[in-house]
Amino acid sequence: GQQVMQIPQYQHVQEGEDFTTYCNSSTTLSNIQWYKQRPGGHPVFLIQLVKSGEVKKQKRLTFQFGEAKKNSSLHITATQTTDVGTYFCAYDRGTSYGKLTFGQGTILTVHP
Amino acid sequence: SAVISQKPSRDICQRGTSLTIQCQVDSQVTMMFWYRQQPGQSLTLIATANQGSEATYESGFVIDKFPISRPNLTFSTLTVSNMSPEDSSIYLCSLNQGRNTEAFFGQGTRLTVV
Repeated sequence: GQQVMQIPQYQHVQEGEDFTTYCNSSTTLSNIQWYKQRPGGHPVFLIQLVKSGEVKKQKRLTFQFGEAKKNSSLHITATQTTDVGTYFCAYDRGTSYGKLTFGQGTILTVHP
Repeated sequence: SAVISQKPSRDICQRGTSLTIQCQVDSQVTMMFWYRQQPGQSLTLIATANQGSEATYESGFVIDKFPISRPNLTFSTLTVSNMSPEDSSIYLCSLNQGRNTEAFFGQGTRLTVV
């Protein structure tokens, strides 16, 4: 079935540096969701994007959905130690009620 | 929003035994989902649990290995049967309020099979 490729797999940054993770699909997606999973925790919803070219911001986080709806990115400005965790993109398959397919995730570590 | 209580939070089990994981939701939901997250990996959907009908399993997962119950709209269980070390994973229940809505997850069950 459809898959999304997420890169990078790992990202180590110094506190205050920016961070970006990318999610790419070979086919058009109807939507993209982003989740954050803290170490030892469960995934927590961050945002959903559904429109071509959509950009949403949450404080230091900026989410984009590509014009072709085949890629998405999450950008964190001036990372903090609280940003540590794994960031997953996911999409609703659309064929059934709320089934999600997740990207491989990007593990972010922030050095103080 | 929804609150999901999942238990146990973790367990260490002997190979060949079975473990049943429970999820209780604070509101009625039509569909619940069970995911597996192998160490350091992403989430993989095991099955969809609909109240009043048999669960629908994803490719690579079978009912004999992962039987699911959904006796009412607020509760579901997943059993990991005849466990082997390869079953060591985090198992997560999840729900949403419809297509293209955010998913809520239980706290996860960290299973180690020895």
